[in-house]
Amino acid sequence: GESVGLHLPTLSVQEGDNSIINCAYSNSASDYFIWYKQESGKGPQFIIDIRSNMDKRQGQRVTVLLNKTVKHLSLQIAATQPGDSAVYFCAENNGQNFVFGPGTRLSVLP
Amino acid sequence: GAGVSQSPRYKVAKRGQDVALRCDPISGHVSLFWYQQALGQGPEFLTYFQNEAQLDKSGLPSDRFFAERPEGSVSTLKIQRTQQEDSAVYLCASSETGTLGHTQYFGPGTRLTVL
Repeated sequence: GESVGLHLPTLSVQEGDNSIINCAYSNSASDYFIWYKQESGKGPQFIIDIRSNMDKRQGQRVTVLLNKTVKHLSLQIAATQPGDSAVYFCAENNGQNFVFGPGTRLSVLP
Repeated sequence: GAGVSQSPRYKVAKRGQDVALRCDPISGHVSLFWYQQALGQGPEFLTYFQNEAQLDKSGLPSDRFFAERPEGSVSTLKIQRTQQEDSAVYLCASSETGTLGHTQYFGPGTRLTVL
C-alpha cells in the first residue's frame, strides 16, 4: 500500500527468501530510474539503475524491472540476507530533477 | 576512496537562528544536489548545481533557504531564521557528469533540529 507520513509500507521476508519491492512512478516522460537503499542514520546508497529503453537489468543478487505501460518499477532481491534490512527508495529522473518515492521498509526475519 | 562528506552531522538550532550546512562532493564531480528528508519520507529535491552554476532552485521552500557553490566544488546550504518545520535531514549528493542521467552518490546527511 501507499505510505503517508511516518507509516512506511513494510515488507517482511524470511532470510534466504526472495524479496520484491514495488514502486509506482508519476511521470511518463521519466527516462532514468534508480533504486537506493538507506540504512538508519546514513544517506541513500545506490543499488541499481535502469534507463527507459530497457525493461530489465540485473546486478549482483538484484534485478530491476521496468514496466513503462503502467509506470511501475520493481526491485527483486535474491536470497535476502539480514544486511538487506533497510528502507528502499525508487527515484525517477523527470528531466528536471530526481523525484523519490515514499520508500518501503524491508525487514528480514531470522 | 573518499565519498561525499557533510558537516556538521548534527545541528541543533533555536528558532530564529541562522545555520550553514556544508557539503564536500566527490572530487571532480560536476553536479551537486541538495535534498531535504523529513522523518519517514523520501528525499525531496531542493536545488542543483552544475559546477558553480545553480541551474535549478525550484525546490527551495522559501527565500530563507540559500545555496552556493562558488568554486564549483564545496557547497553550502544556508537557512536563515530557522523555523521548527525546517527540522529534517539535509542530504547532499554529487554526480560525475553535468547531466541528470547519471548516478548520484549521497553523503551521510546533516540532521537539523530546530527547537
